[in-house]
Amino acid sequence: QLQESGPGLVKPSETLSLTCTVSGGSISTPAYYWGWIRQSPEKGLEWIGIIYYSGTTYSNPSLKSRLTISVDTSKNLFSLKLSSVTAADTAVYYCARQKAGGYWYFDLWGRGTLVTVSS
Amino acid sequence: QSALTQPASVSGSPGQSITISCTGTSSDVGSYNLVSWYEEHPGKAPKVVIYEVTKRPSGVSDRFSGSKSGNTASLTISGLQAEDEANYYCCSYAGSDTVVFGGGTKVTVL
Repeated sequence: QLQESGPGLVKPSETLSLTCTVSGGSISTPAYYWGWIRQSPEKGLEWIGIIYYSGTTYSNPSLKSRLTISVDTSKNLFSLKLSSVTAADTAVYYCARQKAGGYWYFDLWGRGTLVTVSS
Repeated sequence: QSALTQPASVSGSPGQSITISCTGTSSDVGSYNLVSWYEEHPGKAPKVVIYEVTKRPSGVSDRFSGSKSGNTASLTISGLQAEDEANYYCCSYAGSDTVVFGGGTKVTVL
């Protein structure tokens, strides 16, 4: 299972921080990448990025300059930080699991957490 | 990297078949057999129903099928049931270790 957690309200220009806790298996498996996807009424689903247990990351070019994805294998979780947020970053944020090896699809998702950017 | 294009809504009666299109470009859908489809019921986690254009994960009904022609992928739901009423999203590998999603299609069972 995947479970997102973090503040539901972030002020404009601040940093959005979310954590995804992985349960029922080890995040250190070479079989999967771990990713973030968000959903807004305006854009639908938007891929944010993924991370491997080794720390290798791949990210959406449009967010890359503001984005940090990290992994903590000792706590079996991975995290998202998005800096300088605006109202356009308001969305439901999902964490998800992607099968490694060039498959590029997400076979397990968290239930999502709504993050609102507002003063 | 632009979002894939899906119709906003598709509807059908119980028992009918419906098809949802997903149009991309030669840089994503047209270049890779790495299109996946996700079913999303409000308030629940999205669920993959098709991956690699035509493959169905274990446990997904065989009423779901996928195909691709050129830059357009399609999801067909046959024998439409009330439980199929949901939002459906397509997704494609877009090269350079990135993926792109579609805008989503709301399926209504009449």
